[in-house]
Amino acid sequence: DVVVTQSPLYLPVTLGQPAYISCRSSQNPVYSDGDTYLNWFQQRPGQSPRRLIYKVSNRDSGVPDRFSGSGSGTDFTLKISRVEAEDVGVYYCMQGAHWPFSFGQGTKLEIK
Amino acid sequence: QVQLQESGPGLVKPSETLSLTCTVSGGSVTANYWTWIRQPPGRGLEYIGYIYYTGITNYNPSLKSRVTMSLDTSKNHFSLKLTSVTAADTAVYYCARFARALDVWGKGTTVTVSS
Repeated sequence: DVVVTQSPLYLPVTLGQPAYISCRSSQNPVYSDGDTYLNWFQQRPGQSPRRLIYKVSNRDSGVPDRFSGSGSGTDFTLKISRVEAEDVGVYYCMQGAHWPFSFGQGTKLEIK
Repeated sequence: QVQLQESGPGLVKPSETLSLTCTVSGGSVTANYWTWIRQPPGRGLEYIGYIYYTGITNYNPSLKSRVTMSLDTSKNHFSLKLTSVTAADTAVYYCARFARALDVWGKGTTVTVSS
């Protein structure tokens, strides 16, 4: 099975500062259609997950442009350019190329 | 805009079968892949499996022997059955659309396994 590893698991950030979350997949999440299925989700306290980024770097509609995704191969990054209070929650990456699809352990972002 | 709503018993006895339904509104189940994910208390997300509108299914090998998914086009919903449950199956269960990239999620329903 593909193992997806996130770091850090806990991320205290000062308001207005950038934040970076790393996601490493044990296999390149490229599917046979040529697309790289590495996605990022945000789960605010008490809410269901919400997709932020799909296929590495595509931002979902309504997601602020301070969120961006990048990476290739087995290493990917979610960047929040200037953290705001509403960004508090747990962030998950997920690979959707190799069955069974799998999530990282989650990174808990808090305001310092 | 597609919306998903999970429903089902919040309490299931050990060794019995957990049954949940996800109702799709604003769209049709006769398109796309439909997925179940769960989250044990205080823990991360686990992918249970998905069903395609044609009825093709794919289950996580860790649960495969106990899972069945189905789809009812007349009611525009899809369902999850998990047999022989134990306390380890206590979780919030989510349904979502699109297997590989989960673009729409339901709010989730909490299922507790306890006698």
